[in-house]
Amino acid sequence: AQTVTQSQPEMSVQEAETVTLSCTYDTSENNYYLFWYKQPPSRQMILVIRQEAYKQQNATENRFSVNFQKAAKSFSLKISDSQLGDTAMYFCAFMGLDGAGSYQLTFGKGTKLSVIP
Amino acid sequence: DSGVTQTPKHLITATGQRVTLRCSPRSGDLSVYWYQQSLDQGLQFLIQYYNGEERAKGNILERFSAQQFPDLHSELNLSSLELGDSALYFCASSVAPGLGYEQYFGPGTRLTVT
Repeated sequence: AQTVTQSQPEMSVQEAETVTLSCTYDTSENNYYLFWYKQPPSRQMILVIRQEAYKQQNATENRFSVNFQKAAKSFSLKISDSQLGDTAMYFCAFMGLDGAGSYQLTFGKGTKLSVIP
Repeated sequence: DSGVTQTPKHLITATGQRVTLRCSPRSGDLSVYWYQQSLDQGLQFLIQYYNGEERAKGNILERFSAQQFPDLHSELNLSSLELGDSALYFCASSVAPGLGYEQYFGPGTRLTVT
């Protein structure tokens, strides 16, 4: 079974600074996708960024970028120029073939990020 | 707004009762997923439907059941409720169930069992 680990339960960053959230995962699959989801106080789950395992190039979406290290099974999220609206829980998620032959999202426990004015 | 709707937003009920949560997927999406988010278990996949058929099961209790109707909306039925069932229940939808199809999440239903 795949597992996703987020080792930082809470983090804080000053507004306009850069912060990196860590995620590691365990899988025996070679073909999979990785995601970062954001959950603000409104509780809505919002997709921030996705990475296909077969792509060597790291994904970027505006101020959000990832550092994907396939061999190390590491998938960190970098947020540049942090804004107050970035305050949220961030979940790392893995999508790959499970034991039952279907593709599901497996989530980490989350990192609570606070952006300080 | 993801285009996925869930009703009700909040639900308060007593132990032993039965409730039904409803989800309407985004227009054009054929696959529906249910997730449970609780403080101790985190976000867990419960069950998936694709075009009316059950596709995959996760950590879903026997007291819970779901179905997807011909109009593609889905319902999650929770029975013999216990205090530990208090959680946020999300529905998500995607075009298809394969690898890489993005799942769009609804706003969730907050269930409180007293």
